[in-house]
Amino acid sequence: EPEVTQTPSHQVTQMGQEVILRCVPISNHLYFYWYRQILGQKVEFLVSFYNNEISEKSEIFDDQFSVERPDGSNFTLKIRSTKLEDSAMYFCASSGGDNYEQYFGPGTRLTVT
Amino acid sequence: RKEVEQDPGPFNVPEGATVAFNCTYSNSASQSFFWYRQDCRKEPKLLMSVYSSGNEDGRFTAQLNRASQYISLLIRDSKLSDSATYLCVVARGSTLGRLYFGRGTQLTVWP
Repeated sequence: EPEVTQTPSHQVTQMGQEVILRCVPISNHLYFYWYRQILGQKVEFLVSFYNNEISEKSEIFDDQFSVERPDGSNFTLKIRSTKLEDSAMYFCASSGGDNYEQYFGPGTRLTVT
Repeated sequence: RKEVEQDPGPFNVPEGATVAFNCTYSNSASQSFFWYRQDCRKEPKLLMSVYSSGNEDGRFTAQLNRASQYISLLIRDSKLSDSATYLCVVARGSTLGRLYFGRGTQLTVWP
């Protein structure tokens, strides 16, 4: 069964550093998303991406965040200058197959020290 | 007011029990509804979409009441493997749009 994959599974970085989180969506999907979940809290939407542009973003997705689809398979989330409060699990999701439901990757745990 | 509200539980039930979870959503423009399950420190996994007519998938039954803005999930004959957090999720537009998640209801099924 096709699935969304994410790398790395865990990233530790120092405050102020840039990080890039990588995702490979399901191959025939056209819609891509990033969500995050701070420990003990609900899953929160960050951004959606379709046809090589952002289709929607939340108030969390400020100028420190950017997304890119650099080639035909990868979808990345960049945080330019990480803060302590960026520590969370970041989930990539994709949609657009037969039923248009969103399927999530296993997540990248980001720890900012 | 929160977009999606759920009773956080925890619900602790014996194997074989029937358990029901409820959820309310605040935005009457919401169009798509789902239940996801999330195991500890793992990704949300789609359990089922929820349709206006109600729908059933094996031991799981979901109901939607648009007038009351209320969604439910019933699990019959609980298994140990059902232990997880159940997330109520809504989308305002199509399923391709932003998803709004509740905080989840924790279920533990004991032998």
